[in-house]
Amino acid sequence: GESVGLHLPTLSVQEGDNSIINCAYSNSASDYFIWYKQESGKGPQFIIDIRSNMDKRQGQRVTVLLNKTVKHLSLQIAATQPGDSAVYFCAENMRAGSYQLTFGKGTKLSVIP
Amino acid sequence: DVKVTQSSRYLVKRTGEKVFLECVQDMDHENMFWYRQDPGLGLRLIYFSYDVKMKEKGDIPEGYSVSREKKERFSLILESASTNQTSMYLCASSLRTEAFFGQGTRLTVV
Repeated sequence: GESVGLHLPTLSVQEGDNSIINCAYSNSASDYFIWYKQESGKGPQFIIDIRSNMDKRQGQRVTVLLNKTVKHLSLQIAATQPGDSAVYFCAENMRAGSYQLTFGKGTKLSVIP
Repeated sequence: DVKVTQSSRYLVKRTGEKVFLECVQDMDHENMFWYRQDPGLGLRLIYFSYDVKMKEKGDIPEGYSVSREKKERFSLILESASTNQTSMYLCASSLRTEAFFGQGTRLTVV
């Protein structure tokens, strides 16, 4: 069954505010995590990744936080823009040496102008 | 930039037809994957391949097969299409763990 899931299926955020998208995982052996963004009519696009030996990683306007104690992953988007409206998926690599990713069900982010 | 190209954006096929979904990547990636995406279920892995002529079943292989005759091309085959295979199909490739996706093929089986 699914080992990667999301706390909220939808999230509405005012333009300019920060967004936080959450993800829970159950496999403590997972060593690599990715956040993908999927806009309507397109395939998922890589946003940011993090390895299990880290607890935080920052990109441009995005930050991923990993809390291995509670098996929780979050994506923070600063100053959310209308172009951030999309479905966001977390994915985990459950086995070192395997290239398979297990995906969560996704969170739909809607940005209110 | 990595480019993963799926041959069709939209397909409509009849029940019982044999359907081929084609995927090509241009970055010499070893790994290729086929997922299906359904509302509320996320992305589920159908088949994957780590090398030419090699294939492995994913989580939901029933009703599907694949072919990897060349490194850059990975084909998904629906042997006898059924209405429950109506879905969005996504192809991906990777060198290691970060997967790059195509734009998807929305298949409708009537």
